[in-house]
Amino acid sequence: GESVGLHLPTLSVQEGDNSIINCAYSNSASDYFIWYKQESGKGPQFIIDIRSNMDKRQGQRVTVLLNKTVKHLSLQIAATQPGDSAVYFCAENGGGYNKLIFGAGTRLAVHP
Amino acid sequence: KAGVTQTPRYLIKTRGQQVTLSCSPISGHRSVSWYQQTPGQGLQFLFEYFSETQRNKGNFPGRFSGRQFSNSRSEMNVSTLELGDSALYLCASSLLAGMNTEAFFGQGTRLTVV
Repeated sequence: GESVGLHLPTLSVQEGDNSIINCAYSNSASDYFIWYKQESGKGPQFIIDIRSNMDKRQGQRVTVLLNKTVKHLSLQIAATQPGDSAVYFCAENGGGYNKLIFGAGTRLAVHP
Repeated sequence: KAGVTQTPRYLIKTRGQQVTLSCSPISGHRSVSWYQQTPGQGLQFLFEYFSETQRNKGNFPGRFSGRQFSNSRSEMNVSTLELGDSALYLCASSLLAGMNTEAFFGQGTRLTVV
């Protein structure tokens, strides 16, 4: 499939371990954040979102943490599976109506 | 419920030509945004349409344009193609008009300019 990003930072984990992917966002006025997963040859897939009035939100096997003081987001994936292997992007809404500003992305590689 | 549909999936064009890409949003979604994805620049916002009006625009030259129809379907056009326009063009649709709404992406159109 097509390469999303040739020189992305890579996080390598063992199957079953927990994964933590970090993201620094740029605009202190941003008040809505989304994590996306992108597999090779596909468009970004929505994982979880969080608004700035929260500091933590949980989904199925995923948790997003927001630290507005240092403008930092993290995505935690519990019991990582081979199907979680993909590139993960954080996005913020700091640009206006439905304009998302994306981070550079992190490649997650899950090894059996 | 069908997702966001982009056509065509792949395109090869020659420098100087123009191209039109199409996006059908999720049924009921009225906001459509376009993004360009390249290995070097990542995902960059092109423009957003809601109710046939462009509400937001990214930092791209005027060769990049778009429009939205009354049924919310959207097209984007790139004129006078350059080699650097080779990219994956992604369309996202959102249900609501505001700023804090989930955006769902299509599979993208892979444009190669030769």
